[in-house]
Amino acid sequence: DTEVTQTPKHLVMGMTNKKSLKCEQHMGHRAMYWYKQKAKKPPELMFVYSYEKLSINESVPSRFSPECPNSSLLNLHLHALQPEDSALYLCASSQDRSLRSTDTQYFGPGTRLTVL
Amino acid sequence: AQSVAQPEDQVNVAEGNPLTVKCTYSVSGNPYLFWYVQYPNRGLQFLLKYITGDNLVKGSYGFEAEFNKSQTSFHLKKPSALVSDSALYFCAVRRSSNDYKLSFGAGTTVTVRA
Repeated sequence: DTEVTQTPKHLVMGMTNKKSLKCEQHMGHRAMYWYKQKAKKPPELMFVYSYEKLSINESVPSRFSPECPNSSLLNLHLHALQPEDSALYLCASSQDRSLRSTDTQYFGPGTRLTVL
Repeated sequence: AQSVAQPEDQVNVAEGNPLTVKCTYSVSGNPYLFWYVQYPNRGLQFLLKYITGDNLVKGSYGFEAEFNKSQTSFHLKKPSALVSDSALYFCAVRRSSNDYKLSFGAGTTVTVRA
């Protein structure tokens, strides 16, 4: 089973709202990722967690706050977003034997976020 | 720096004809190469990867890709395209070290007409 699940599927929020995106995997993977994808463009890496610790922050604005409560769950907390943050937010996971290059990243279906 | 190029924004092919989606890469050292497909309003689905060994890699849904080191290419192929293969295809590369980062190509939109 190579399933990564994400909730909600769609989210509409105002610029003053606080909301969270959720990602879950039960493949025993120890690396989890957040990506942002604009329409017809490749995904852009935002954050990487390895063994529940934040390993990489790709200079993402602080209005995006990731959290990894346990090895199966990854959250992305959103606050004071801008309309340009509207995008598809993808979660991925990989086995992560020290973030090995050969490990495949498996992606979830994404959350379509619209910021009004 | 590592990078990957997909020279065609769009590929159009008739159902039943061969499908090729092109990818070239630029990395220092040995590359680890991946192909993903994205259907409308969906996440990326893994198709196949090249790590080492046989240059011809077979993947999901009848796709295969050929690694060519001299031409630094990793083209995705399917002998007989289906209408359901219409989607956005991404090539990606990682360096052959402990490197977390996948570098994606710009993507190629494939349209298979009936």
